[in-house]
Amino acid sequence: EAQVTQNPRYLITVTGKKLTVTCSQNMNHEYMSWYRQDPGLGLRQIYYSMNVEVTDKGDVPEGYKVSRKEKRNFPLILESPSPNQTSLYFCASSSSGTSGLTDTQYFGPGTRLTVL
Amino acid sequence: AQKVTQAQTEISVVEKEDVTLDCVYETRDTTYYLFWYKQPPSGELVFLIRRNSFDEQNEISGRYSWNFQKSTSSFNFTITASQVVDSAVYFCALSEELTGANNLFFGTGTRLTVIP
Repeated sequence: EAQVTQNPRYLITVTGKKLTVTCSQNMNHEYMSWYRQDPGLGLRQIYYSMNVEVTDKGDVPEGYKVSRKEKRNFPLILESPSPNQTSLYFCASSSSGTSGLTDTQYFGPGTRLTVL
Repeated sequence: AQKVTQAQTEISVVEKEDVTLDCVYETRDTTYYLFWYKQPPSGELVFLIRRNSFDEQNEISGRYSWNFQKSTSSFNFTITASQVVDSAVYFCALSEELTGANNLFFGTGTRLTVIP
């Protein structure tokens, strides 16, 4: 089954304790990205990756890191989490389309993170 | 400036009523895609439709239909004969060739409640 998986699905942590949220897709997609969803703000892009070893900042990258060592995996790293990073996080992937636009992005199930 | 505006924060309808969710977008690009996603209470994001800027034909899929009008920069979504299972938050989103980032700009969502 074609899917995007995220782990963990739920996480409660404390300020300053480094954490990683994993994202994996089995569709051989070139493009992957991370979004956060906050009430009243919709979803906002954190980081994206056009392909292996190619990553770039989205709209709200502060406090996050990513890496893309393999095509299927795109982990999100919070080196020193703070309470304002409490949010619902989504990973997404898509194939690279034509004319500079990717194909439809398919989303993982989400990771609900609480930073105390 | 908000690229995608969903002015309706919450809508409640009685089962079997028709309901239209509004989406107004803003872009200077001539090549772009518009999307609708559904987020049911379980939290995942479900892709519903993608439309490119060169195709203004309306689309119907079962009880769902979409009205894309470039003249008013709108991409409205209508559910006919609503059902309780349609209760969800619906997001409209835009991606632009101009940004080159393959970022999806999301609206803030419309929460639809269908009352049995």
